[in-house]
Amino acid sequence: SQKIEQNSEALNIQEGKTATLTCNYTNYSPAYLQWYRQDPGRGPVFLLLIRENEKEKRKERLKVTFDTTLKQSLFHITASQPADSATYLCALDIKSGGGADGLTFGKGTHLIIQP
Amino acid sequence: ETGVTQSPTHLIKTRGQQVTLRCSSQSGHNTVSWYQQALGQGPQFIFQYYREEENGRGNFPPRFSGLQFPNYSSELNVNALELDDSALYLCASSWTSGGEETQYFGPGTRLLVL
Repeated sequence: SQKIEQNSEALNIQEGKTATLTCNYTNYSPAYLQWYRQDPGRGPVFLLLIRENEKEKRKERLKVTFDTTLKQSLFHITASQPADSATYLCALDIKSGGGADGLTFGKGTHLIIQP
Repeated sequence: ETGVTQSPTHLIKTRGQQVTLRCSSQSGHNTVSWYQQALGQGPQFIFQYYREEENGRGNFPPRFSGLQFPNYSSELNVNALELDDSALYLCASSWTSGGEETQYFGPGTRLLVL
């Protein structure tokens, strides 16, 4: 079965620095990969989607890379702010047999931006 | 806000009971998925409904069942509750068009089984 590992349970970054989160997966080559943000007591919020034929995608201060050879995605937040503190989830969409298999999520990385 | 709502926000049940959780999808979305999120874990896919039919299922037993209605609402039913069913239950709506699907999550229902 698909396994997704996110680099660490918690990551402390000083305000203004770039935060880099890692997502590694095994056993399958997804057509695309998604990143979500989750705040305590709330549902995940979609941030970015990157397709297998895309190397990099940007949205404002966010950047995602996707290396299908390494089976890895990196998620960067530049000029980090305390408001960026949250749990970030990596998710793969794996469809098989014509049915839906939903999104497979990693455990998430709890990012803390310190003022 | 994603436009997806869930009720109730919190619920306490005892082992062996049955529970129904409700979700109202974003208007126009034809697909709803349900996820279970245990504390400190990522969401786990339970099943998906597309145009009122179950379209896919994760590794959950048959006592987890669902319904999707034409008015963009849906239900998750869990029978014979077990202690391990304690979790945050999330519904997510999306528009299925054969391509990638961005999922819009509701705030979740936190279920505690005693």
